[in-house]
Formats: sequence, structure tokens, C-alpha cells
Amino acid sequence: QQQVKQSPQSLIVQKGGISIINCAYENTAFDYFPWYQQFPGKGPALLIAIRPDVSEKKEGRFTISFNKSAKQFSLHIMDSQPGDSATYFCAASKGSNTGKLIFGQGTTLQVKP
Amino acid sequence: DAGITQSPRHKVTETGTPVTLRCHQTENHRYMYWYRQDPGHGLRLIHYSYGVKDTDKGEVSDGYSVSRSKTEDFLLTLESATSSQTSVYFCAIRLDTNTGELFFGEGSRLTVL
Repeated sequence: QQQVKQSPQSLIVQKGGISIINCAYENTAFDYFPWYQQFPGKGPALLIAIRPDVSEKKEGRFTISFNKSAKQFSLHIMDSQPGDSATYFCAASKGSNTGKLIFGQGTTLQVKP
Repeated sequence: DAGITQSPRHKVTETGTPVTLRCHQTENHRYMYWYRQDPGHGLRLIHYSYGVKDTDKGEVSDGYSVSRSKTEDFLLTLESATSSQTSVYFCAIRLDTNTGELFFGEGSRLTVL
């Protein structure tokens, strides 16, 4: 059972455009929602994260929008650049005890120059 | 800075042989994790550890065992490798128990023929 569902699987955006990746979760006990960025041959790296007490968090060109009632959250990349081309994973975890992250399936983003 | 060394980085083995992957951290982080990454599945948790000799199963633990005899080392063992265990394996450490952020190693690519 996939507890975190991510879409789309792949995305192509022109340079300067907005990239949007969506995730939906099932478990209302989740209380930490990070996004990870992964370049080929590397491990995933934390990009930005949010907790359910806020509806939006922005860091530079990256924004997380969070909708608690719909159990959805999304990543927006403004002014997308070719260097943003990577695979993006959303994730969720519950509680602060174990830190176990449940990941979405991943989205491969290609930003065309 | 947090550091993780995974070894080996690449391994090709045959069905039925035992395989051990090693994760070594340079700091005394309590929590360590083993994930596998497969296309279309994102990252899935195999096992995790919350201290020396304290481990627990993740969502895809069948066919895998782990050991942690020292804080800095977390070993993942495939007792009898199968082709379905061909994957990229990532070790992670929990950097901050408050933020829940995981820091990932660069991965170990395992091919089981």
C-alpha cells in the first residue's frame, strides 16, 4: 500500500517556467513533509520541508504548499533552471521517535534551456 | 559536516550468494537507515537502527538482516541474494531529532545475476 502518492512521474519544463509536483498522503498522523532532490549517481538531499501547522513555506525559488484537509502537498519551483533537472521525491513521517520517512515514487524533472 | 561512506559502491554477484553492504558514519548519530531505490517505487525502508544492537524492520525487510555493533557502522546483509534484490541501496543518518532530516550516502549499486 503506497502511503504517499506522487505525480507526475516525469515533467518537462522550459527554462524560466514553473515546475509543479504533487503528493497525496493517507495517514493523518504524518507530521513532517520533506522534499528531496537527487542528481544522477548521488544520494537524495533535503531540499525543503514543512510541518502541518503552516500552509506554505518558501525558500528561494522553492515553495511547498500544504493542504491539510485534502491531505495533499506540492512543490513549486519558480523560474526553473536547467540545473534544477533532477529527480524529486516527496516524503512523510509521523512522530519524532523513529524518523522513518515514507517516500513517494519520484518525479524526474527536465528543464529545457 | 556529516559524512557517510558506503561500501562497496558497486557489486555484481550471483543468485544465492551472501552479500554485505557497509555504512560508516563519521559522527555519533543515533539513528541509521537502509533504503532501497527502484524505478517507480521511490525509496523504501528496509531496516533501521536506533542505537547499538537496536534495530527494527522497515516496509521491505524480507530477505535482509542488519547489524549494528558500533555506533558508526550499520551493516546490511543479504543472506542469499536473489535477482529481485538488484537495486541501489542507500544508507542514511538522522541529523536532527527535532527536524527529522535524513542525510543520505551516495549509494551502493548491487546487481544480482
